Amino acid sequence: GDSVTQMEGPVTLSEEAFLTINCTYTATGYPSLFWYVQYPGEGLQLLLKATKADDKGSNKGFEATYRKETTSFHLEKGSVQVSDSAVYFCAPLGGDYKLSFGAGTTVTVRA
Amino acid sequence: NAGVTQTPKFRILKIGQSMTLQCTQDMNHNYMYWYRQDPGMGLKLIYYSVGAGITDKGEVPNGYNVSRSTTEDFPLRLELAAPSQTSVYFCASTYGEGVRNTEAFFGQGTRLTVV
Repeated sequence: GDSVTQMEGPVTLSEEAFLTINCTYTATGYPSLFWYVQYPGEGLQLLLKATKADDKGSNKGFEATYRKETTSFHLEKGSVQVSDSAVYFCAPLGGDYKLSFGAGTTVTVRA
Repeated sequence: NAGVTQTPKFRILKIGQSMTLQCTQDMNHNYMYWYRQDPGMGLKLIYYSVGAGITDKGEVPNGYNVSRSTTEDFPLRLELAAPSQTSVYFCASTYGEGVRNTEAFFGQGTRLTVV
């Protein structure tokens, strides 16, 4: 089955700092790749996605590039805000459609 | 659209009691999932379903049962609740096979405490 290795947290940053969260995966076939975000007290929601090699997903200033050769999908944001404080999950979706998640990375941004 | 709706939002159970967590979606999604999220941890897949009448075990199915009699509903049954089942439970759905770029939609979660 699919598996995900995600950078451990927690991560604490100051506003306007650069954020990167590493994610590598193993999956059956040619997976689609997703980043989900969970704000406090809420369910997960899609942040961005990429469906083929070299695709770049982007949303709300976050970006991630599908690197098939290194099986990675690292999340980056150039200047974080307090409102970006959340838990971030990397998730490959392979041919078996068994949606698996990484352990999640808790990000806290201080003003 | 309501999306994915879970009920109840909160519940306290005594050891040995049973309950059903309800999940319904109105997006005509084929695939549905149940996860549990323990404090400070990621999501673990309990069961999933690829369509009405079909269910499969995930990583942590012990102590749970599911059914999928309709496309819309995917209830999760806890029999003989144990303290180890204290967790937040999330239901999710996606379009499924043939749509590779589909995103998953999540319910707001059910916070269950077993005492």
